[in-house]
Amino acid sequence: QVQLEQSGAEVRKPGASVRIPCKTSGYAFDFHYMHWVRQAPGQGLEWMAVLHPSGSEATYAQSFQGRITVTRDASSGTFYMDLWSLESGDTAIYFCAREMETGSGALDIWGQGTMVTVSS
Amino acid sequence: QSALTQPASVSGSPGQSITLSCTGKHSDVGTYTLVSWYQQHPGKAPKLMIYEVNKRPSGVSDRFSGSKSGSTASLTISGLQAEDEADYYCCSYVDRSKYVFGTGTKVTVL
Repeated sequence: QVQLEQSGAEVRKPGASVRIPCKTSGYAFDFHYMHWVRQAPGQGLEWMAVLHPSGSEATYAQSFQGRITVTRDASSGTFYMDLWSLESGDTAIYFCAREMETGSGALDIWGQGTMVTVSS
Repeated sequence: QSALTQPASVSGSPGQSITLSCTGKHSDVGTYTLVSWYQQHPGKAPKLMIYEVNKRPSGVSDRFSGSKSGSTASLTISGLQAEDEADYYCCSYVDRSKYVFGTGTKVTVL
């Protein structure tokens, strides 16, 4: 069964950083793009970043440029999203999502989300 | 990149058809066919309903259909059912591997 497993919740203070894992199972992770999307409480979806199947090329939304990195551990099939210089506005649920077919932009499998709370 | 514009809410009675709009710019929806739609129930992850403007993934009801005209994409739900009550988001490719989501539409089944 194709799955993306994410951890439950993280709490950070303003100015800190967070690393969110996304563990894949049931498919060849090196054949699919992996996207990251977040959703602030009561708000809409916001696209953040995408990692190329090679694991070596990433593209980031302009609003996160300079304080985000997405990577992959090929030995475990786990993807990571690192976000630093956190502020209260970064409080949100962070999702990883698989792109179904290369170049389709279709996110067919989603993790359950990781809630990140930024508070002093 | 600003979010695509969607109406905040749309409602309909069971059995009716409703259409959700998603308005972007020439540089996103107007240029690319990589427009997708997602359904999200409260507390759940989004679910892919339509991709590449009008393609349905396996397992998605044929009551859901998509189209595009100029810089506006649309999602039509036919034969509205109680289970269709959810938030719906469109998403478009922008350029250089970047994407943008819409503001979201809350669908209410009366």
